[in-house]
Amino acid sequence: IAGITQAPTSQILAAGRRMTLRCTQDMRHNAMYWYRQDLGLGLRLIHYSNTAGTTGKGEVPDGYSVSRANTDDFPLTLASAVPSQTSVYFCASSDSQGASTDTQYFGPGTRLTVL
Amino acid sequence: GQNIDQPTEMTATEGAIVQINCTYQTSGFNGLFWYQQHAGEAPTFLSYNVLDGLEEKGRFSSFLSRSKGYSYLLLKELQMKDSASYLCAVLDSNYQLIWGAGTKLIIKP
Repeated sequence: IAGITQAPTSQILAAGRRMTLRCTQDMRHNAMYWYRQDLGLGLRLIHYSNTAGTTGKGEVPDGYSVSRANTDDFPLTLASAVPSQTSVYFCASSDSQGASTDTQYFGPGTRLTVL
Repeated sequence: GQNIDQPTEMTATEGAIVQINCTYQTSGFNGLFWYQQHAGEAPTFLSYNVLDGLEEKGRFSSFLSRSKGYSYLLLKELQMKDSASYLCAVLDSNYQLIWGAGTKLIIKP
């Protein structure tokens, strides 16, 4: 593995189903992030984690939950999917959160469709 | 509220120069990033500015004026592979990135 991986690449999901998007990084970065990207809108932060064991809410956290049991993994769970959660989801990581020179590196994304 | 504005779409000719502007109004400022995103792919880092002035990196340069809340990305000697969206993002007072919607750049031969 080099960088950040996400799984699945794409998924079609029935409304009301539970879904977990996986994200793994091998750069030993402290901070990790989940964004959604919708046409015509900028990337919007869902949840973030400054370090293993801690998480925080971003701009659009409702309907999503995260956990950070270790440095490498940061799964995003949709407890009961709704059509408005149809989007492309990007996981990102950075060496630290709170540093001015921080740069975020992105995974390839998961394209999720909720019907 | 926090706001970042960029043009939705721009068109330029191969070999030419193009300037993509970004204006921002955010709660605090801890730096401005430019990312490139090809269609269907992840954003990749291009540049970072925290002080006023021009940062040059090969064919790409980025400029910042904090007093005006303004930045631009300058792309020289355009190549077809530069066709992509260019995302402007500001690190706010909480060190969270606020993203613009992106500028889709179309390069014509």
